[in-house]
Amino acid sequence: AQKVTQAQTEISVVEKEDVTLDCVYETRDTTYYLFWYKQPPSGELVFLIRRNSFDEQNEISGRYSWNFQKSTSSFNFTITASQVVDSAVYFCALSEPPSGGGADGLTFGKGTHLIIQP
Amino acid sequence: DTEVTQTPKHLVMGMTNKKSLKCEQHMGHRAMYWYKQKAKKPPELMFVYSYEKLSINESVPSRFSPECPNSSLLNLHLHALQPEDSALYLCASSPPTGIPYGYTFGSGTRLTVV
Repeated sequence: AQKVTQAQTEISVVEKEDVTLDCVYETRDTTYYLFWYKQPPSGELVFLIRRNSFDEQNEISGRYSWNFQKSTSSFNFTITASQVVDSAVYFCALSEPPSGGGADGLTFGKGTHLIIQP
Repeated sequence: DTEVTQTPKHLVMGMTNKKSLKCEQHMGHRAMYWYKQKAKKPPELMFVYSYEKLSINESVPSRFSPECPNSSLLNLHLHALQPEDSALYLCASSPPTGIPYGYTFGSGTRLTVV
């Protein structure tokens, strides 16, 4: 069974600090996808990144970076020089597409509430 | 068009009412999903439709009835709900397998059952 663990329930930092959100996953499949979503108070889920299980390259997008390590089943997310607008709940999620085709939903972690104080 | 549109954005209904939530996408996605999200919790998968056929039902009570009339439209019919069903209901879609894999979410319907 698939599982995603976000051990940090809430993180509070002062603006301009760097912050890392942890994500650990469990899966028996060799083919899977990992995602990060941002959910501001308005409620919509904003897609941040997708990674497939065969691509362990780290990625940087502006102030955001992701560290994918299959050896430790982790997919951590770092925000550099945080800003107040980064305040939101961040979800890590896992999907295991069926090998014969079809669709599979996302399994979400419990989320990390990130508070950036001015 | 790269959006998933959900209507209504807010809904208040009584326990004896019948109402429907609507979700629409025009991205050519052939999988559509309903999620339920309670306050301060992650979204939980309810239903998955693949090529207009129900492929996953996560043991959802029968007072929630999904419908996929065509590849662009997904409905969730609600009947005899309970106050504990109050939540944010999110719709999502994804492309057919093999195309860059990802999910696009709508902005949700905030449902209050009174």
